[in-house]
Amino acid sequence: KQEVTQIPAALSVPEGENLVLNCSFTDSAIYNLQWFRQDPGKGLTSLLLIQSSQREQTSGRLNASLDKSSGRSTLYIAASQPGDSATYLCAATTDNFNKFYFGSGTKLNVKP
Amino acid sequence: GAGVSQSPSNKVTEKGKDVELRCDPISGHTALYWYRQSLGQGLEFLIYFQGNSAPDKSGLPSDRFSAERTGGSVSTLTIQRTQQEDSAVYLCASSPRGTVYGYTFGSGTRLTVV
Repeated sequence: KQEVTQIPAALSVPEGENLVLNCSFTDSAIYNLQWFRQDPGKGLTSLLLIQSSQREQTSGRLNASLDKSSGRSTLYIAASQPGDSATYLCAATTDNFNKFYFGSGTKLNVKP
Repeated sequence: GAGVSQSPSNKVTEKGKDVELRCDPISGHTALYWYRQSLGQGLEFLIYFQGNSAPDKSGLPSDRFSAERTGGSVSTLTIQRTQQEDSAVYLCASSPRGTVYGYTFGSGTRLTVV
C-alpha cells in the first residue's frame, strides 16, 4: 500500500517569503502525483498534477517537482501571500482506478 | 450541476443509528469516489464507482459501511449502527471516465456520532 508523508505538519511564514513543502511516498510506481489545497469547510482544490513521466509542473507562483527514484515531491510557493493560507495536501495514484493516497497535509499560515 | 454536491452538509446522529450520505456528481462524470477525512487518519479512500459498478471497495472499513450508485449518477453512502469512531468528514469526488483530469471534490458531509 502506498504511504504518503508530508513535512512539515505546519508552517508559519511572513508575507513575501518563498517556501517549500515536502512530500514523500513509499511506492515509486506511481501514476500521478497531485497537490491539492484545502480551505476550512470546503472541498479540495486541485493545484498541480504531475504525471509519472513528468518532472515538474508550474502554475503562476506555484511549482511542483517529482522525483520518482527518491520517492519525493516538492511544492514551491514563491512570494507567499496571506491568501495562500490553507492546508496543502499531496496525493498519489498507483493504478488506473485513480484513487488517491493522501498525505496528512501541511497547514500553512502566511502572516501579513 | 456545476460542481459535486453533497448532502447533508452536517449530520449529528446518536450512536447505533443508521445514516445515509448523498453525493450528486458533476453531470456526465462516470467515475465517483468516496473518501473519509478524520483527525487521526487523514484523508482515506473508501470506494470507487465506474458507472453503477464498484470495482474497488477496498477502503470500506467494515461491513457496517456500504454504498450504491444508481443511474450512473447519484450515490449514497450508508453507515449502519454508527460508532463514535465513524465521526469524520465524508468527501465525494467525481471525474470524467475515472481520469485524474477534471477530478472534482465536493465540500463534504461532517458526521458527528454522539
